[in-house]
Amino acid sequence: ETGVTQTPRHLVMGMTNKKSLKCEQHLGHNAMYWYKQSAKKPLELMFVYSLEERVENNSVPSRFSPECPNSSHLFLHLHTLQPEDSALYLCASSLKGQGRARGTEAFFGQGTRLTVV
Amino acid sequence: LAKTTQPISMDSYEGQEVNITCSHNNIATNDYITWYQQFPSQGPRFIIQGYKTKVTNEVASLFIPADRKSSTLSLPRVSLSDTAVYYCLVGDITGGFKTIFGAGTRLFVKA
Repeated sequence: ETGVTQTPRHLVMGMTNKKSLKCEQHLGHNAMYWYKQSAKKPLELMFVYSLEERVENNSVPSRFSPECPNSSHLFLHLHTLQPEDSALYLCASSLKGQGRARGTEAFFGQGTRLTVV
Repeated sequence: LAKTTQPISMDSYEGQEVNITCSHNNIATNDYITWYQQFPSQGPRFIIQGYKTKVTNEVASLFIPADRKSSTLSLPRVSLSDTAVYYCLVGDITGGFKTIFGAGTRLFVKA
């Protein structure tokens, strides 16, 4: 148990569906992240929210839409996905702005295994 | 980008010490070095972090030479449950897109 909870753990959706992934942390962290991990590929950072502000990443297709209503919750809204979007989607959180140069430890959730059919 | 290079895979036997080396030639002055462990279908888990010389905790040691262009994760007396992918990460993860996960090293521990 890392303190970062993702729901659902598994999701199967059709290409015309709309679904949302949820992430929740109560660790007092102020930065949250969405990562995508495809089979046998490195983790790809999709979105970063730092102090509740989103850091843009133009390489992510618009069919993925993040939302961060507060520092404890993060959502990833999905619509009209493609089969190649099937992957493990991981949420992580960490502290930012500690006032010193330091590689801050990130806590990851268990992930949502998404299958697009 | 703080790029890292690690061996793709390593094999070991139970009870042995395992050393995984990561190269990070373009590490910045302020960058820390962090290692994560990932089991299949789970999120990565923090193992250890350091800036220079040697760091030790209850699960691993991290050796960093003076030039900081590489680092070595040392796992003492591995067990079957240490079979996982190990990632070396350079920089501050809160830097977002300036810090990336590499391919990692797949460690397979045999009985």
